[in-house]
Amino acid sequence: EAGVAQSPRYKIIEKRQSVAFWCNPISGHATLYWYQQILGQGPKLLIQFQNNGVVDDSQLPKDRFSAERLKGVDSTLKIQPAKLEDSAVYLCASSLAQAGRYEQYFGPGTRLTVT
Amino acid sequence: GQSLEQPSEVTAVEGAIVQINCTYQTSGFYGLSWYQQHDGGAPTFLSYNALDGLEETGRFSSFLSRSDSYGYLLLQELQMKDSASYFCATLTMSTGRRALTFGSGTRLQVQP
Repeated sequence: EAGVAQSPRYKIIEKRQSVAFWCNPISGHATLYWYQQILGQGPKLLIQFQNNGVVDDSQLPKDRFSAERLKGVDSTLKIQPAKLEDSAVYLCASSLAQAGRYEQYFGPGTRLTVT
Repeated sequence: GQSLEQPSEVTAVEGAIVQINCTYQTSGFYGLSWYQQHDGGAPTFLSYNALDGLEETGRFSSFLSRSDSYGYLLLQELQMKDSASYFCATLTMSTGRRALTFGSGTRLQVQP
């Protein structure tokens, strides 16, 4: 089966600019996650969707970050305006809603550099 | 809150056995997962423990002690391709919501 797709793979922007990332989860996966991974750290959950509803966005900096999941499938994550500290890899993951092992499948990520 | 502790780096030689420990403090604990991530790659699932004891999957095994808030990942017959970062992650449940919290990762370097 096809894995989680993300685009773009790399993005370089200047601070105060805006940027958007796209994710297409594995077909049939109801749960979708966006993580931020800063170099040398583990992934940090930003937002979790169940179908097209938000389950958890407690760690999303809502003054500058926004996310949506259209029709319970694809999702976009936006940053506006970007700050230097937003430089990181943004990972999208998906999982089956009732997976016993709670296995998450990650996409290749988008590496964002803010200058 | 949630906190996880694991060593930042481990070095071992090909063919050896290495153990990566993870201690955690968390509320609503449900289970412990392990993920592998090669440089520039995506994290990939290795194992999950919900109950105390050892789970074995090929060369990799994972252990959990809920009473000690402790787990480890055991890698046997190390190969060069095992050089990667390994993350423990706690699965928590609250009000029907399941979430993973990742540790900072252990960078494993396998030497010839």
